[in-house]
Formats: sequence, C-alpha cells, structure tokens
Amino acid sequence: DGGITQSPKYLFRKEGQNVTLSCEQNLNHDAMYWYRQDPGQGLRLIYYSQIVNDFQKGDIAEGYSVSREKKESFPLTVTSAQKNPTAFYLCASSIDGDLAQYFGAGTRLSVL
Amino acid sequence: EDKVVQSPLSLVVHEGDTVTLNCSYEVTNFRSLLWYKQEKKAPTFLFMLTSSGIEKKSGRLSSILDKKELFSILNITATQTGDSAIYLCAVRETSGSRLTFGEGTQLTVNP
Repeated sequence: DGGITQSPKYLFRKEGQNVTLSCEQNLNHDAMYWYRQDPGQGLRLIYYSQIVNDFQKGDIAEGYSVSREKKESFPLTVTSAQKNPTAFYLCASSIDGDLAQYFGAGTRLSVL
Repeated sequence: EDKVVQSPLSLVVHEGDTVTLNCSYEVTNFRSLLWYKQEKKAPTFLFMLTSSGIEKKSGRLSSILDKKELFSILNITATQTGDSAIYLCAVRETSGSRLTFGEGTQLTVNP
C-alpha cells in the first residue's frame, strides 16, 4: 500500500531526553513536512524539506531537529531544549511543493 | 506575517442541515488555498483552489474562492453524522511550498 507511515503512534518523553519520531513515505514524493498540532490550534510548521539533503526551518523550529538523508524518510528529533513538547505531531508529503500535501496518522507525544 | 482565520470555530447542527464554513486570509503573494478534513488523526485532502469564482465540487461538498475579498467558503449539504470533523483551511504563497493553516472549524452533526 502506498502512503505515509508515522511511528510510534504514542510516545512518552522523560525530562532531559531526546526522542525521535519516524516518518516514512513510499509515494516517491520530493517534499516532506513536519507539523505540530495543539488543542484548539491549527497546524504549525516545524521543518520542511523540498529535496533530499536539504531542509528549512518552519515557524516553530526551536528545540527540534531533522535530517533528510533518503527521499523516503524525514525523521524529527524532539530535543531536551523543547520545553513544551506535549502535542500531536503530523508528517506530510507532496509530490512537489505546488500540489496538495498528504498526511500520516500522527504521533502523540507526552511528557512523563 | 501570513494569517488565516476560520469561522466559526465550532458548529453543531442536525443531520440534513446545510453548513457553510468560512476561511479568510492575508498573505503577501497568494498562490492557492486548500481545505482538509480531520476526523481523528490524519487530515485528508478535500480541495485545492487557485482561481476566483470557480466552484470545486465533490458529492455533497463544494468550495469556492474569492481572491478579491480574500476568502473561501466550504459548503456541506444534507449533512450526515460522518461529516463530524475538524475542517482545516490552509494557504500557500507563491514563494514556496509551505502552508499556513487556520485554527480549524469543529463541526458536530447530531442525528
């Protein structure tokens, strides 16, 4: 099946710990995105990548890091510098930057 | 700073009603506006609009864009309980691929 797979579905972080959220797509899409969704708010862009080995900061990049070593994969690391990491994280991809973005099922991150 | 405002923020209707959701925007160089439906997890794509006055339609859902007045509406006719979801509006500028999202409208359709 073609699609975007995010894992895990639920993740717990201890204080001071870095955690990595996985996003894999087999749609052969060039562009990939990470969003954060808080209750009562829309999606806010964390990082995006339009091509392999290149990525740009979004509106709320502080405390996060990404890599894009392969076209299919765009992992997001939530570092200990992110003081309020509890949120729903959504990964998306698009065949190019001009067309619709398609989303994975999300990862819900909570702090222990 | 780009801004996308959706209204109402929440709406409760009965099955069979018709609803209109609004999305207004302020962006420097508009390219396209997108609507998504989010039920529990992944937002699913509904429409992408680039030209004023051309209605896009899919079943009971339709949407239209007004680039002069800087807004779009999403209409749902003969609503069903399965239409209950958060409806998200997003705008893209000409300068890149990133989307700016509104807060969303939480629609609840009661039987």
